[in-house]
Parts: sequence; structure tokens; C-alpha cells
Amino acid sequence: QSALTQPASVSGSPGQSIAIACTGTTSDVGGNNYVSWYQQHPGKVPKLIVYDVNNRPSGVSDRFSGSKSGNTASLTISGLQTEDEADYYCSSYTITRTYVFGTGTKVTVL
Amino acid sequence: EVQLVESGGGLVQPGGSLRLSCVVSGFTSSDYWMNWVRQAPGKGLEWVANINNHGSDTYYVDSVKGRFTISRDNAKNSLHLQMNSLTVEDTAIYYCARDGNSWNDIDYWGQGTLVTVSS
Repeated sequence: QSALTQPASVSGSPGQSIAIACTGTTSDVGGNNYVSWYQQHPGKVPKLIVYDVNNRPSGVSDRFSGSKSGNTASLTISGLQTEDEADYYCSSYTITRTYVFGTGTKVTVL
Repeated sequence: EVQLVESGGGLVQPGGSLRLSCVVSGFTSSDYWMNWVRQAPGKGLEWVANINNHGSDTYYVDSVKGRFTISRDNAKNSLHLQMNSLTVEDTAIYYCARDGNSWNDIDYWGQGTLVTVSS
């Protein structure tokens, strides 16, 4: 049950696109299509923005998109906006029927 | 409106126990799996445990197995986390959180309750 690996920080200018990688193993990310992404602003509760690798909950901007290849999932934020500055966490279902979160990525809008 | 409200956090000494509760409203609790997720101060999210719709299946992160017990009472729309043998590493905000209609899609979160383990 080791945490999934994410870069500590990613930055971009307004309007740019950025991608956040989330690397796991065949026991989690690579073994199913139940990968989710959460956005957390400082002092706030996490918010689900992508589930089942590439699905968005109702009301989430289509600027957020997810994908997966092998043991690595990715979140892409297109048309970066100042309000996108937050911490982002991936999460995966695992072979032992538990969940595991990623280490988290701080997104900075320059 | 979906609401999840936690209670029971506080200061406890190492080796002590604490019972967290979460009362839910705005949905039929027996239709959903429920989770506890924690976040140590300034740190990332850590999934702690979950329980199926009817309380018959439970799963835990390795670090709390044998010490924490998750349970639910659907008649009272409530979720609980009994925490025993607490250590300083258990210090965190504990969130009650609802799974959506798939696996690993936590769609609603409570505001959290702070547990501080310190002598």
C-alpha cells in the first residue's frame, strides 16, 4: 500500500496546458480503470474532478481530463486559470480492494 | 442537499482511544459505501478505511489494521471509526466521505474532525 508517485510541483502560465503524472504498479493503477483525481484548495475539502480514469462529475470543467497508460495515469489541465492553483491528488483502487492516494502535486499558476 | 458531519475529534494521549462519528443526510445511506480519509497537518491525503452498504465488508490501510474499526448504523444514518492504541502518527484531520456509484470515486466529503495524539 505505498502511495502513488506524483511530482511535488507543476507550474504553468495562464492559458497553457499542464499535465500531472501519477505512477503506481500493476497492483493498483495498472490493474484496473478506477483511477480518480481530486483538487484541494488551501483549507478546503478535496473535490472529485475525474473518476474511472477519464470521466468528469457533473459540473466539473471540461478543461480537466484524465488518461492512463500502463501503470501511469495523467491529469491534464487545459487553458490554465488562476483558480486552478491548488493541490491535486490521484487515487486508485487496488488489488486488495483498498484505495491508495498519490503523494500530491502543487499546481502554481505563474 | 448531501451533508456529512463528523464529530468526536480531540486531544488524546498516545496509547489512548477515540471514537469518531459521522451523521449523513440528503441521501439514502444504505445505498453507498462509506470511507474515512485522513490528512496530517500540512501533508497529503491518506485513505484509512471503508465499509460496504450494509456493513458486512470492511477494508483498512495496513497502518491501522487491528487498531481501528469502521462501522455504520444505516437506521441512524451514521458512520463510525473506533480508534485504539493511538500514536502520534495518527494525528490528522479525519474526513468522512461517500463513494459514488463506481469504485474509488469519493464524491462527497465532510468538513473533517481534528484528532491530535500528544502527551
